Amino acid sequence: DGGITQSPKYLFRKEGQNVTLSCEQNLNHDAMYWYRQDPGQGLRLIYYSQIVNDFQKGDIAEGYSVSREKKESFPLTVTSAQKNPTAFYLCASSMVQGGQETQYFGPGTRLLVL
Amino acid sequence: RKEVEQDPGPFNVPEGATVAFNCTYSNSASQSFFWYRQDCRKEPKLLMSVYSSGNEDGRFTAQLNRASQYISLLIRDSKLSDSATYLCAVNYFTGNQFYFGTGTSLTVIP
Repeated sequence: DGGITQSPKYLFRKEGQNVTLSCEQNLNHDAMYWYRQDPGQGLRLIYYSQIVNDFQKGDIAEGYSVSREKKESFPLTVTSAQKNPTAFYLCASSMVQGGQETQYFGPGTRLLVL
Repeated sequence: RKEVEQDPGPFNVPEGATVAFNCTYSNSASQSFFWYRQDCRKEPKLLMSVYSSGNEDGRFTAQLNRASQYISLLIRDSKLSDSATYLCAVNYFTGNQFYFGTGTSLTVIP
């Protein structure tokens, strides 16, 4: 099956702990993205990567870090510096088809702080 | 000013009704436009792209008005299963980030 997978589905973090959210895609998409969704606030971009070994900060990058060592993988680390990490985290990837870039989402990870 | 704005609703409509959502965008250079559907506690799923000449997919019609900088989604003959949040998205150019609206909530009532 082709698609975007995220794990785990639910993640619990203790105060002061770093946690890493996994995102893998086998669609051969070049670009990958991380968003955070809070109730009533829509999707906010954390980081995105257009190619391997390169990534750019989005609107709310503080307290997060990413890596892009492989085309298929774009893990997100939520560090202890992120003071309000409870949210729904969505990974996406995009492809260019017919001159238009289209974005697709993984199933998401819900992060809860204990 | 937000890049993309939507009326959050909620829109509560009876089965069989026609309902329309609008989404305004601030950057006239925006090139690509999309509608996504998001069910409760699920990821957004691409509903349809929006093309300059307008496009239709079954009961769904999407239109783009570049002069007034908005896109619209029309749902005809609403079904209970259409109940969801509808997000619009714009992309300025390939390789740039996508901008999403906060979503419009639709509930179709029996």
